[in-house]
Amino acid sequence: DVKVTQSSRYLVKRTGEKVFLECVQDMDHENMFWYRQDPGLGLRLIYFSYDVKMKEKGDIPEGYSVSREKKERFSLILESASTNQTSMYLCASSSLDGNTIYFGEGSWLTVV
Amino acid sequence: RKEVEQDPGPFNVPEGATVAFNCTYSNSASQSFFWYRQDCRKEPKLLMSVYSSGNEDGRFTAQLNRASQYISLLIRDSKLSDSATYLCGCMDSNYQLIWGAGTKLIIKP
Repeated sequence: DVKVTQSSRYLVKRTGEKVFLECVQDMDHENMFWYRQDPGLGLRLIYFSYDVKMKEKGDIPEGYSVSREKKERFSLILESASTNQTSMYLCASSSLDGNTIYFGEGSWLTVV
Repeated sequence: RKEVEQDPGPFNVPEGATVAFNCTYSNSASQSFFWYRQDCRKEPKLLMSVYSSGNEDGRFTAQLNRASQYISLLIRDSKLSDSATYLCGCMDSNYQLIWGAGTKLIIKP
């Protein structure tokens, strides 16, 4: 069974803290994605990666960075968390042709 | 104008009824289309892909209308367990999936 695992499900962080969100997939997928989802706004793409050490900005990259040192792992970093980054963060992966995207269970981040 | 638009709903539908909703897309180069289901506070999961010829999976039917640039999802004999938010995704020529904001469906007993 395919699996995208987000290690941190619920986090509460203080403004200004550095936050790491980890994502691992076991499907040998080339593509990996980080989205945030907010009520009424749907899924918004933060960053994506087509290969190891490769990254591309999505629609809302400001305030975020990513790291992909290994094919199976894609990390999202908030260098200095702010309250407007309180959201649900979803990691996803897909094969190179993009057919069927699989999501992790989500990480609920609250910044206070 | 958003690239992919959905009626946010909610659609309040009695159990056993048929319900349909659409998703319009603006990029005529979109190549692949998907319907995902998302339960409250859960991740989206693939419901079905949408093929040019349309496809059916049990009580669910998905259709693509390229001329009018929309996809549709029809649910027959709706069940309480169908209550969820339904997201449509449209893939462009760069294999980028563009998402609608979702349509909320509530099935009432």
